[in-house]
Amino acid sequence: ETGVTQTPRHLVMGMTNKKSLKCEQHLGHNAMYWYKQSAKKPLELMFVYNFKEQTENNSVPSRFSPECPNSSHLFLHLHTLQPEDSALYLCASSQVDRGVHGYTFGSGTRLTVV
Amino acid sequence: GQQLNQSPQSMFIQEGEDVSMNCTSSSIFNTWLWYKQDPGEGPVLLIALYKAGELTSNGRLTAQFGITRKDSFLNISASIPSDVGIYFCAGLQRGVSGGSNYKLTFGKGTLLTVNP
Repeated sequence: ETGVTQTPRHLVMGMTNKKSLKCEQHLGHNAMYWYKQSAKKPLELMFVYNFKEQTENNSVPSRFSPECPNSSHLFLHLHTLQPEDSALYLCASSQVDRGVHGYTFGSGTRLTVV
Repeated sequence: GQQLNQSPQSMFIQEGEDVSMNCTSSSIFNTWLWYKQDPGEGPVLLIALYKAGELTSNGRLTAQFGITRKDSFLNISASIPSDVGIYFCAGLQRGVSGGSNYKLTFGKGTLLTVNP
């Protein structure tokens, strides 16, 4: 596998469920990100991990809980979500210590909360 | 936080026409990036601009980093049906904590429709 892989591609969950989104990058990058993409809104940065350490949490509700066990894997744990949390969740990675380069995005997880 | 004003929001053009879209900001960015997103997929990087005034081409795509570092445009020449998608500009700047912490801010996107 190459690039940034996200699973699952689609997820439907009830408001009382607990689920996790997974992201894996095979690019040797040292930074990983979670973005939320809702209709008619700009991409919203949720979390940033540099060298496995969380460096940014953009006022994200605690029902979203990120985990970065190593520089290649990133998870987003979900619990007691609301219908307005339905969106496309995108993972991205980049290499930040060898100059500035664009992010590489995964294909996203389309989340529907019912 | 920083905002990028991307325009137009949407465009409907005929195949073969040229397209132009732009982004402006009240903030200075170190790098400007242009992405394209196909339906059901994540954004894919098209062009990266690293220096003020830089003009870069990638096939039928041309982008420029504004002299003031607060704007950028993307041109697509001789459009084809597969150019359909959402185009995003993004500005990259060092985060508040500095070091290796960079922040990417996205515009709202331009939805391009190409009629064959």
